[in-house]
Amino acid sequence: QKEVEQNSGPLSVPEGAIASLNCTYSDRGSQSFFWYRQYSGKSPELIMSIYSNGDKEDGRFTAQLNKASQYVSLLIRDSQPSDSATYLCAARRNRDDKIIFGKGTRLHILP
Amino acid sequence: DGGITQSPKYLFRKEGQNVTLSCEQNLNHDAMYWYRQDPGQGLRLIYYSQIVNDFQKGDIAEGYSVSREKKESFPLTVTSAQKNPTAFYLCASTRGGMNTEAFFGQGTRLTVV
Repeated sequence: QKEVEQNSGPLSVPEGAIASLNCTYSDRGSQSFFWYRQYSGKSPELIMSIYSNGDKEDGRFTAQLNKASQYVSLLIRDSQPSDSATYLCAARRNRDDKIIFGKGTRLHILP
Repeated sequence: DGGITQSPKYLFRKEGQNVTLSCEQNLNHDAMYWYRQDPGQGLRLIYYSQIVNDFQKGDIAEGYSVSREKKESFPLTVTSAQKNPTAFYLCASTRGGMNTEAFFGQGTRLTVV
């Protein structure tokens, strides 16, 4: 089992709809979670961080964390063509400070 | 402006040569990380350092070496022992400790010719 798992996609979502991206993690010692957006050929850009159970909203983005289920998600409301990218989920382990990434989900917003 | 600078952006290396990738940050971050990304893949951790003069191996350290002599700098050397060095290399830094976010440099694309 990979430590951080994501569906590789592609996930196709119509413009204006809600995109839902999911991530699971296996190490219960992970306490900090991050979503990065990565455009082709570019470096990852931090979108959201979440550290406690529940929802965290920032503009069109909402991150959700459920530590009991070891599940993290990212919702993108009113999806725009510029949201088309690969979204990387990452988890930071408290015991050694490693930041482990999933393989990413490719999101395609259909105009 | 504060940030993380990786250089060069593109690097070509002949087989059998060592090459060093630069990563400098002026964010006063304690922890720094090196990742490798292959096409269509996620990021794999090569080495990381939580404080000056200390570093730990990540998941794919073989064929790589690092140093952390200054807080601002964390250079990565790709040695000739690395069998498949062609990849996109990303450096990140964070304040360290719980609940701190990591930020990335612009990356170095290494091609072995």
